[in-house]
Amino acid sequence: AQTVTQSQPEMSVQEAETVTLSCTYDTSESDYYLFWYKQPPSRQMILVIRQEAYKQQNATENRFSVNFQKAAKSFSLKISDSQLGDAAMYFCAYRRRSNTGKLIFGQGTTLQVKP
Amino acid sequence: DAGVTQSPTHLIKTRGQQVTLRCSPKSGHDTVSWYQQALGQGPQFIFQYYEEEERQRGNFPDRFSGHQFPNYSSELNVNALLLGDSALYLCASSLVWGSTTSLTDYGYTFGSGTRLTVV
Repeated sequence: AQTVTQSQPEMSVQEAETVTLSCTYDTSESDYYLFWYKQPPSRQMILVIRQEAYKQQNATENRFSVNFQKAAKSFSLKISDSQLGDAAMYFCAYRRRSNTGKLIFGQGTTLQVKP
Repeated sequence: DAGVTQSPTHLIKTRGQQVTLRCSPKSGHDTVSWYQQALGQGPQFIFQYYEEEERQRGNFPDRFSGHQFPNYSSELNVNALLLGDSALYLCASSLVWGSTTSLTDYGYTFGSGTRLTVV
């Protein structure tokens, strides 16, 4: 069975600084997707970034980038130039490369951004 | 742009009662998945509906059941409520044969959830 682990329950960062959130996963499959979702107090899950396992190049979306280490089964999220609006719960998630694949989430990391 | 709509927003029920939660998927999406999120935890997959049939199911008892209607909307039913069923219930919609090139169009769109409290 696939599992996703986030070992940092809470993180904090100073506004405009950079922070990295960690995620490891376990799977026996070779083709899958990895995601980072943001959940603000409004509760809605917002997709931040995704990575296809077959791609060696790390995904980037504006201030958000990932460090995808397939052999180590590691998938960290780097947030550059942190903003107050980045404060939220962040979830790492895994999905098989299937059109109806379910998402498997980690336990989440609460990110605090200090002004 | 109509995203995923869930109703009601909050709900309080008594142990042993039954509850029905509703979800309208994003316009154009044909698949609905339900997740249970306990306080401070990551969401857990309950089940997924496509073409009005349950396609996948997570590790949840038969007290949890669902339905998908011809207009793709969905209901989650929970019978014989337990205190442990108190959680945020999230609905996510997707398109089975959708685009994989756009981040904003790809994958799952989540609703804001229904907060269920069982007392």
